[in-house]
Order: sequence, then C-alpha cells, then structure tokens
Amino acid sequence: GDSVTQMEGPVTLSEEAFLTINCTYTATGYPSLFWYVQYPGEGLQLLLKATKADDKGSNKGFEATYRKETTSFHLEKGSVQVSDSAVYFCALSESSNTGKLIFGQGTTLQVKP
Amino acid sequence: GAGVSQSPSNKVTEKGKDVELRCDPISGHTALYWYRQSLGQGLEFLIYFQGNSAPDKSGLPSDRFSAERTGGSVSTLTIQRTQQEDSAVYLCASSSDRGQETQYFGPGTRLLVL
Repeated sequence: GDSVTQMEGPVTLSEEAFLTINCTYTATGYPSLFWYVQYPGEGLQLLLKATKADDKGSNKGFEATYRKETTSFHLEKGSVQVSDSAVYFCALSESSNTGKLIFGQGTTLQVKP
Repeated sequence: GAGVSQSPSNKVTEKGKDVELRCDPISGHTALYWYRQSLGQGLEFLIYFQGNSAPDKSGLPSDRFSAERTGGSVSTLTIQRTQQEDSAVYLCASSSDRGQETQYFGPGTRLLVL
C-alpha cells in the first residue's frame, strides 16, 4: 500500500540555519502531497501542499517541490526561527476517491536561539 | 469561522468501559475523517465519512471500534470495552469534499485507559 517515509528526528538547529526535512513516498496513481505542522500544545495545521508533479508548495518561508522522478517532497526553509520549533508531518492523499491521508512518522524540529 | 471541534478534550477511563468521542466538523464540509495519534504507531487513519455513509472503514483496529455520523454533520466514535492499547489522541478532520481537498483538523481528544 501507499506509504510515507520521513527522516528521523529530532533535528536541532540554531536560529537562522537552513532546514531540510527529507520525505519520500510510495504510491500508486497520482497522490497529492502535504506538510502538516504540530506546534507544542496545538493541533495539526496544514503548512503547504502540492497536487501534481513539479508543483511547489510554499508558506511562511517553507517550501517543498513535488518530485515524481525521485518520489520526494522535501521540506526546506532558508532561515529558521525559534518559533518554528514543532513536529512536522509529511503526508500523501491517496488518489482513490476517499482522500484519506497517509502520514510519515513525524520529525521534531528544535531551534535554539 | 469556527473550526473543527472535538469533545471531550481529555478522557480518562478504566479498562473495559465504553467511551464516546464527539466531532463537530466545519459547517458545510461533507467529508469527515477520524485518525489516531499514538507514540508507537504515529498518525493512523481510522474511518472516512462522505455525508452520513462510511465508504472506508479500513483503519478501524477491531470490532470494538465503531463510528456514526448524523445529519451530515456531527460524528461520534465509540470504543467498547476499552483496552490500555487504545490510549492515544483521537483526531477528527473535515474537508469540503473528498479527494485532494485540504483536511482541517480538530484539537483532538486525549484518551487514557487505566
């Protein structure tokens, strides 16, 4: 079945460092891809998404490009802030007609001042 | 506007008791999903509703789990004869349609089975 693999955390960075969180997927068909973020004590929020190959999703300085040839959707940010500390989940939406999300295991990011 | 709401926010129960978890989706959203977030298993899909019907129940872990949705709105997830392994955060999400539409998540119900 469909699956998502994320790099293991935790990831610890200094403020203003460059961030990459790797995400690869296995899917039949043409899924949409998502990054969700969970800030401490809060619920899951959509960070960005891409619905077809070569699309780039972006929000709050974060970017990810849907790469069909490498089945990847890596999350990047050029300069992280302490407020970006959170758990990040990569997910795909199956191309079947349910739209259920398949999540990666989550990557914890800690940004130190 | 109002987002997805869930109640209770926390529930502590004894092993063997039944529990009901409630989800109020965003008004007008026809698709509703339940997920479970636990330490050992990460985020797992449980069940999908389109309107009042549930065409995908494939994630329900056992027949102790059931869910219903009424009036195309509120949904209730019921766990019978709870076990300690049922302890998790149960998340509800809704979207304006199935497929590629964005899902909006509620804050979750944290369930602890003693």
